[in-house]
Amino acid sequence: QLVLTQSPSASASLGASVNLTCTLSSGHNTYAIAWHQKRPEKGPRYLMKVDSDGSHNKGDGIPERFSASSSGAERFLTISSLQSEDEADYYCQTWGTDLRLFGGGTKLTVL
Amino acid sequence: EVQLVESGGGLVKPGGSLRLSCAVSGFNFRTYSMTWVRQAPGKGLEWVSSIGSKNSFLLYADSVKGRFTISRDNAKSSLYLHLNNLRAEDTAVYYCGRDLGTDGSGFYYFLVDAWGQGTQVTVSS
Repeated sequence: QLVLTQSPSASASLGASVNLTCTLSSGHNTYAIAWHQKRPEKGPRYLMKVDSDGSHNKGDGIPERFSASSSGAERFLTISSLQSEDEADYYCQTWGTDLRLFGGGTKLTVL
Repeated sequence: EVQLVESGGGLVKPGGSLRLSCAVSGFNFRTYSMTWVRQAPGKGLEWVSSIGSKNSFLLYADSVKGRFTISRDNAKSSLYLHLNNLRAEDTAVYYCGRDLGTDGSGFYYFLVDAWGQGTQVTVSS
């Protein structure tokens, strides 16, 4: 069964870097995913897609501070030089046969 | 500029119906598959339904199958979601999204790459 697992929360200091992880369920480590940012009272914002080889394509206007990579079944979102506006929920997304799927999301707190 | 604008949300009683609309601009709507996603209060994003560019597929989450119907009018660049037999647990902000499609490699990505701002649906007596 296709499942995306994310840690519920993460925190890092202003100006620091943070890695968020999205883990694909067993047998699905070749799947591409997308990362989305969700701030309160705002629509989601597409950040980038990440393939299993770590190649990624950002959405329009996404700062250089955002990058992504892959290792096995794990897909990573790295945010460097953290800013206060990066405090948000981050979701990964993938798809399977006849379904689309989101991870449970990670709430990022910028200290 | 790619834009997606949802409308049609509101307050409805349990068992009632609504039709959500998503008007798009800034891209060739008829060549993209589209998706509806919702977020209930205090919860994460939940996929609801997706439709192929030429209605080649109609997909639904188990939680809405048989109650919701997705459709599109390519001539009007509009996406719709018909919500029937609404329940309290359908209360959420509903977002429409464009699927990324192909990145030029020939591989098709069913990942949302553009979002609307959402429309609130509240189901309450």
